[in-house]
Amino acid sequence: SQTIHQWPATLVQPVGSPLSLECTVEGTSNPNLYWYRQAAGRGLQLLFYSVGIGQISSEVPQNLSASRPQDRQFILSSKKLLLSDSGFYLCAWTRPSGGGYTFGSGTRLTVV
Amino acid sequence: AQSVAQPEDQVNVAEGNPLTVKCTYSVSGNPYLFWYVQYPNRGLQFLLKYITGDNLVKGSYGFEAEFNKSQTSFHLKKPSALVSDSALYFCALYTGRRALTFGSGTRLQVQP
Repeated sequence: SQTIHQWPATLVQPVGSPLSLECTVEGTSNPNLYWYRQAAGRGLQLLFYSVGIGQISSEVPQNLSASRPQDRQFILSSKKLLLSDSGFYLCAWTRPSGGGYTFGSGTRLTVV
Repeated sequence: AQSVAQPEDQVNVAEGNPLTVKCTYSVSGNPYLFWYVQYPNRGLQFLLKYITGDNLVKGSYGFEAEFNKSQTSFHLKKPSALVSDSALYFCALYTGRRALTFGSGTRLQVQP
């Protein structure tokens, strides 16, 4: 069966520090991978998606970047965090043909 | 533009009563619609989807949704609400760009 792992679960970082959130998927090949941010416990904003190694599409210009160094690994990064980067970050995957998502358990990031 | 809207920020219902969480959509072509549920500090869980076929879709935990093309709606329903159904519910639309667009979410509160 397929599983998705996302870590860390919570993170408190000072303004200006770097960020690296990792997401891995097991039990499938060539998944579509996604990073979403949820602010204030409500709406989800698509940040990045990837349909293959090294292929990243950015939906919203911002202080963050994403990379996909391996087929089942998706990393969200920042060189210098801003207060506005605080939020709940969710990784998700779908089969290459698309369809419904499976979400990770999320990372709550607080920038102080 | 393709979009999905959830007009209610919160829905309150007594345990044992039927519940409805509303969702409307705007899309050119055939819509692919989804419902997800999110419990506090957790990732989203898939409830059900409409791709084609029967307008009444049955999903997890006793939930169902009715697709209405003339009203461009995809309301989530359950005949008898449980306190444990209290959570944040998201309607989503597959936009064909290999990503889902989510509604703003509706908080369901079921009172005992």
